[in-house]
Amino acid sequence: DAGVIQSPRHEVTEMGQEVTLRCKPISGHNSLFWYRQTMMRGLELLIYFNNNVPIDDSGMPEDRFSAKMPNASFSTLKIQPSEPRDSAVYFCASSFVSRGGNQPQHFGDGTRLSIL
Amino acid sequence: GQNIDQPTEMTATEGAIVQINCTYQTSGFNGLFWYQQHAGEAPTFLSYNVLDGLEEKGRFSSFLSRSKGYSYLLLKELQMKDSASYLCAVDGSNDYKLSFGAGTTVTVRA
Repeated sequence: DAGVIQSPRHEVTEMGQEVTLRCKPISGHNSLFWYRQTMMRGLELLIYFNNNVPIDDSGMPEDRFSAKMPNASFSTLKIQPSEPRDSAVYFCASSFVSRGGNQPQHFGDGTRLSIL
Repeated sequence: GQNIDQPTEMTATEGAIVQINCTYQTSGFNGLFWYQQHAGEAPTFLSYNVLDGLEEKGRFSSFLSRSKGYSYLLLKELQMKDSASYLCAVDGSNDYKLSFGAGTTVTVRA
């Protein structure tokens, strides 16, 4: 079975440029999560969607960050304009959640983003 | 807010046992997860506890005490490939969001 698929795997760009990260969740999962991981701050939740609807975006650092989920099989995280402090590994994860209980989140391989 | 604490680093010898503790203070509780993350890779799911007690899965076991806000991950018969970061994550708000600890880096030596 295909896992969570993220692209690109690596991105190097200059500050001020727009960056778009992409994620395809596992088929059948109804929740999608975007995380950022750095040495200083660890793994932080940026935003999560349930049934394609953004539920909590309190972790999004500022207005330069935006995320969309136009359908159940695709999500994007966009940074515009990008800054050097945005350099990090960005993970997408998906799971199936229901009132019946919790299910583990499955992570994609991540996008390693470097802003020069 | 959510507060999750775990040791930064642990070192053990191949074949030995290591116990990684995690304490948490959260507004609610809907389960605790342990993830393994090798350097440069994604976190992978290891175990899930929602009721008090021990969950065993091969060489790995995880324990939970909800009244104490405490969990541990026990790694037995350590192998070199177990060298990784181990992340404790709590669903503390009953909305399926996870709050992650900073991770414990385990180094297994020959």
